[in-house]
Amino acid sequence: SQTIHQWPATLVQPVGSPLSLECTVEGTSNPNLYWYRQAAGRGLQLLFYSVGIGQISSEVPQNLSASRPQDRQFILSSKKLLLSDSGFYLCAWSRQEGGYTFGSGTRLTVV
Amino acid sequence: GQNIDQPTEMTATEGAIVQINCTYQTSGFNGLFWYQQHAGEAPTFLSYNVLDGLEEKGRFSSFLSRSKGYSYLLLKELQMKDSASYLCAVRDREGSNDYKLSFGAGTTVTVRA
Repeated sequence: SQTIHQWPATLVQPVGSPLSLECTVEGTSNPNLYWYRQAAGRGLQLLFYSVGIGQISSEVPQNLSASRPQDRQFILSSKKLLLSDSGFYLCAWSRQEGGYTFGSGTRLTVV
Repeated sequence: GQNIDQPTEMTATEGAIVQINCTYQTSGFNGLFWYQQHAGEAPTFLSYNVLDGLEEKGRFSSFLSRSKGYSYLLLKELQMKDSASYLCAVRDREGSNDYKLSFGAGTTVTVRA
């Protein structure tokens, strides 16, 4: 069966510090991968998606970047965090025409 | 892009029925999903509609009308554990291998005893 792992679960970082969130998928190959952010009391905002190694599409210009160094690994990064980067970050995977399965999420607080 | 609208909040009594409506506008419709999200947790899949009509799954049912850009999620025999946010999501096909899911802001359902 397929599983998706996302870590860390909780993170508190100072403004201006770097960020690296990692997401890995097991039990499938060539998945579509996604990073979403959910601000408090708001909907899910698609940040990045990837249909293959090294292929990244950005939905919203911002202080973040994403990379896919391996087929089942998706990384969300920032060189310098802003207060507005606080939120609940969710990684998800899907087959081409399948539904999305979400990781457990990372709650990031920038202080 | 997509415009996905759903009510912000709904309150209902335990054992009752609640219907959450969702309207959307999209250019490459390829399916509509409903997810449940408890506070502080990741969304979990509830239902999927790609053709018009009603899909029933236990206490939960979902309806789709593509011509009207409209869906609803029906929750029957409400239980306290059904208190959660319910997210309407529309999938667009933008290429041969390019499927993106866009979410509404979610409807917070509160079930009262």
